Order: sequence, then C-alpha cells, then structure tokens
Amino acid sequence: DAGVTQSPTHLIKTRGQQVTLRCSPKSGHDTVSWYQQALGQGPQFIFQYYEEEERQRGNFPDRFSGHQFPNYSSELNVNALLLGDSALYLCASSLFNEQFFGPGTRLTVL
Amino acid sequence: EDKVVQSPLSLVVHEGDTVTLNCSYEVTNFRSLLWYKQEKKAPTFLFMLTSSGIEKKSGRLSSILDKKELFSILNITATQTGDSAVYLCAVEARIMNNNAGNMLTFGGGTRLMVKP
Repeated sequence: DAGVTQSPTHLIKTRGQQVTLRCSPKSGHDTVSWYQQALGQGPQFIFQYYEEEERQRGNFPDRFSGHQFPNYSSELNVNALLLGDSALYLCASSLFNEQFFGPGTRLTVL
Repeated sequence: EDKVVQSPLSLVVHEGDTVTLNCSYEVTNFRSLLWYKQEKKAPTFLFMLTSSGIEKKSGRLSSILDKKELFSILNITATQTGDSAVYLCAVEARIMNNNAGNMLTFGGGTRLMVKP
C-alpha cells in the first residue's frame, strides 16, 4: 500500500513564475491538506480539500490555489512566485482524523 | 489566532540521557494534540492525545496532555543517536461549522541532537 506521494521532489523557479505541485493521497483517503514549511520552522496550514472543494484555508494569499480531482489527488498552484515562497511543501491525506504526510516538494525560488 | 509554542528550541544530549520536550497551546475548537518526528522530510506520527492525564507510551517515548493548563510533554528515555530529529507538536482544531474537517497548527519544533 503506497503512502502519500508527491511530485516533483525538488523544483527551482525564478521570481514571478508559476508552479504546480502534485499529491496522491494514501489509498482510501478522501481528504488532502497542504502545508508550507519554511527552513527552521514548523509547517503552516495552507488549505484542505474534501469532495473536490476547498474546505478550510489558512492565512495565505490568493496566489496560492488548489484543486482536488475525483480520484482524491490534489494540486497546489502558486502564482507570481516570491523569494519568500521558498520552502518545503507538504501534503497530508486523511480519512477521518489522523493525517499522513508525504515526503514533500522542496521549492527554491531564485 | 491559534498558537502552539514549543520549548526548548534545540537540545544537545548524550546517549542514555532522558529528555523532556514541552508544548503549550492556545487553540479554539480543540480536538487533539499530536506529536511528530521529522528527520528529513515527511513528519512521522508519534502520538495523538485527546484526554488529559492519560499517558501514552511507545517504547522509550511517552507523552501526556494537560487540557486545563494547555500543555503537553514528550519524554524520551535512554536516548539513542537515532532519536536525533526535529520533534513537532501540532494541535488539531475542528474546522468551524464542519465536524468532519480538521486543520493542524504546528509549533516551531524542537531540534534534538543526541551525541554518542
């Protein structure tokens, strides 16, 4: 049983560009949450998707958007990248409560 | 605004020592408190605590929650070099108007280094 998978593993972009990160949840999980973890800090909640809709959103600007597909996989899109968007982006999937984390995507913005 | 604070920020000990990591929180609509270990990328689940005063144990690790004083501790006895990691405390809050939804608010983590 595959756990949570994320792609790509690493990504380098320049300021102003747009990026799409992908997440496949653990088998049987229907809820996907996204977190941003800056270096040396704890993860910060971006948003959660359930039944293809954004259920809750953290304190992130509209440049951060997402999508959930009928197979429960999810994408995180970030537009107009800033240097401060450089971070590890973690996806977590859940069925009820416990969230299982993927290995993350390391985004570097130059 | 929900807040989770962990202390100390970092800790260096020698193998065999016992360590105590602290987590205090202020969260609306509290559901549970969780501890994770993060070595390289994905945080791995350690404990979920929902009730005060009930200790959870897993091998050399144990944790307890105090819902009155709004804190939790994670104890690691007989530390080993493999315990070196960042330990994250997170509080799960119920999403407003949606009993099925939840979100995690994390603390900044405690970086533990265990020297041989």
